[in-house]
Amino acid sequence: DAGVTQSPTHLIKTRGQQVTLRCSPKSGHDTVSWYQQALGQGPQFIFQYYEEEERQRGNFPDRFSGHQFPNYSSELNVNALLLGDSALYLCASSDQGAGNTIYFGEGSWLTVV
Amino acid sequence: QKEVEQNSGPLSVPEGAIASLNCTYSDRVSQSFFWYRQYSGKSPELIMSIYSNGDKEDGRFTAQLNKASQYVSLLIRDSQPSDSATYLCAVRKPPATNKLIFGTGTLLAVQP
Repeated sequence: DAGVTQSPTHLIKTRGQQVTLRCSPKSGHDTVSWYQQALGQGPQFIFQYYEEEERQRGNFPDRFSGHQFPNYSSELNVNALLLGDSALYLCASSDQGAGNTIYFGEGSWLTVV
Repeated sequence: QKEVEQNSGPLSVPEGAIASLNCTYSDRVSQSFFWYRQYSGKSPELIMSIYSNGDKEDGRFTAQLNKASQYVSLLIRDSQPSDSATYLCAVRKPPATNKLIFGTGTLLAVQP
């Protein structure tokens, strides 16, 4: 049973560019969330997708957008990259049941230069 | 004031000792509490979850929750060098499902 899978693992982008990160949730999970973890910090919630809609959003600018596909996989897009966007981006999945356990993928390391 | 606060450490304990990690939270509506372990360069891994006051034990790990005092702790018995990692405390508030609020983590170093 595959867990949460993310791609790419590492990438380097230039300021002002755009990036797309991808996530496949754990089998049986229908809810996907994205987190940003800067060095030395805890993960920060970006947004959550369920039934292909953004259901909740953290304190992130509109440069951060996402999408969920019918197969529950998800993408995170970041436009107009800033140096401060350099971080580990984590995808998390769960089902919508009560007491649901949240599983994290291995993350995508983004470096903006 | 941060919603979830942890001492950043490092907390250094000798091998075989009990490591005690603490976390406080500010919002009384918080209903679910989690401890994640994160090795350097890796993603967080769920260690324990606790939902009601009291203790919950799983192997060498014990999570303790006191909602009146708004703190949650993690005890690691018989600490091993492989336990050396950053331990993240996270809370979930209603009605969120996947929205966890994390502390900055406590770095634990177990000395052989």
